[in-house]
Amino acid sequence: DAGVIQSPRHEVTEMGQEVTLRCKPISGHDYLFWYRQTMMRGLELLIYFNNNVPIDDSGMPEDRFSAKMPNASFSTLKIQPSEPRDSAVYFCASSLGSGANDEQFFGPGTRLTVL
Amino acid sequence: DAKTTQPNSMESNEEEPVHLPCNHSTISGTDYIHWYRQLPSQGPEYVIHGLTSNVNNRMASLAIAEDRKSSTLILHRATLRDAAVYYCILRDVSAGANNLFFGTGTRLTVIP
Repeated sequence: DAGVIQSPRHEVTEMGQEVTLRCKPISGHDYLFWYRQTMMRGLELLIYFNNNVPIDDSGMPEDRFSAKMPNASFSTLKIQPSEPRDSAVYFCASSLGSGANDEQFFGPGTRLTVL
Repeated sequence: DAKTTQPNSMESNEEEPVHLPCNHSTISGTDYIHWYRQLPSQGPEYVIHGLTSNVNNRMASLAIAEDRKSSTLILHRATLRDAAVYYCILRDVSAGANNLFFGTGTRLTVIP
């Protein structure tokens, strides 16, 4: 398996524009997670899905952020409108289950810069 | 969620053992101790986990104190590729959730 795939790897946009980040989890994994990493706040969970259903979105910063998982092999994280403070590295991760032995596999991340 | 405390940074010489400590004095009986690491410009990767007994795998060893209030990740021979931020995380598996709460971690520098 190719691992968790994220696209784009880098995104530069202007304030006010819509940004869509994409993630393909490892095939067969039931859980998908979106994290954001900044120097100030470190690595924080935004939302996670189980079997394509959002379970906990309490980490989503505000209504400008939305995430969807239309099928088991694809998820998007959308920011509309984007702001400079959204600049960060966004990671997607997936895991087989929720047991103690179910490690999370992370993608390479998308580095977002909002000017 | 129970919290963990780690030193901000540590240094090690190449090919020497490294002991990365983690304190988790408020750990509950159902918390597993997980370690992840993040290499520069990469996403985090799983290292090891345990509940009560010491654990070994190809990457590292995990030594857990008898009272479970602290643990130590052991890299037996540090290489330059081990330079990373190491995160100690508690997971309450009984809650059914699988989300991870990353703290600030320990930045390990390996000196050639």
